[in-house]
Amino acid sequence: GAGVSQSPSNKVTEKGKDVELRCDPISGHTALYWYRQSLGQGLEFLIYFQGNSAPDKSGLPSDRFSAERTGGSVSTLTIQRTQQEDSAVYLCASSPAAVYSNQPQHFGDGTRLSIL
Amino acid sequence: DAKTTQPTSMDCAEGRAANLPCNHSTISGNEYVYWYRQIHSQGPQYIIHGLKNNETNEMASLIITEDRKSSTLILPHATLRDTAVYYCIVRVASGSEKLVFGKGMKLTVNP
Repeated sequence: GAGVSQSPSNKVTEKGKDVELRCDPISGHTALYWYRQSLGQGLEFLIYFQGNSAPDKSGLPSDRFSAERTGGSVSTLTIQRTQQEDSAVYLCASSPAAVYSNQPQHFGDGTRLSIL
Repeated sequence: DAKTTQPTSMDCAEGRAANLPCNHSTISGNEYVYWYRQIHSQGPQYIIHGLKNNETNEMASLIITEDRKSSTLILPHATLRDTAVYYCIVRVASGSEKLVFGKGMKLTVNP
């Protein structure tokens, strides 16, 4: 079946602009996660959704970052007033399970964001 | 605050078994061991996970020591396409659900 789909695959924008990144999880997956991977850095967690609620937003680096999920499916990560340090690959993952489960997360191929 | 230790890199000959070690000496009783890999320009790919029993699927086998302080991922017949960064992660099935990635280990499969 279809995997996690992210769009756009690449985004180049000027410093100060707002950007929206989209994630379509695997159908039926209730849990959705956003991570980012900066050049030379590991993957870092940003936010976790269970359904439309976000019980863990602890990884969002600043109030310029926000995310929402609607209909228990598609999620959008928004970065306002982008800065050069926001340049990274933003990865989305989904998992079929409810809370307190060992079900693995499945990742999309990410959106490569470049801030000029 | 990754809770695992892996070698930085490892080489393996094509067609041979690749044995990838991981130390997780502070693992708790309710924490699972997960393995992912990341091929250049792609998202991490789930490989396998386990709690205390050895596990096998179509991609690999996972051997967890009896004291659960270490594990080994085995790729039985490595191919060039298995060249990637491999991540060993311990994760508790809790409310936060997030994965904490360390630096991983670069496996290079040589022809």
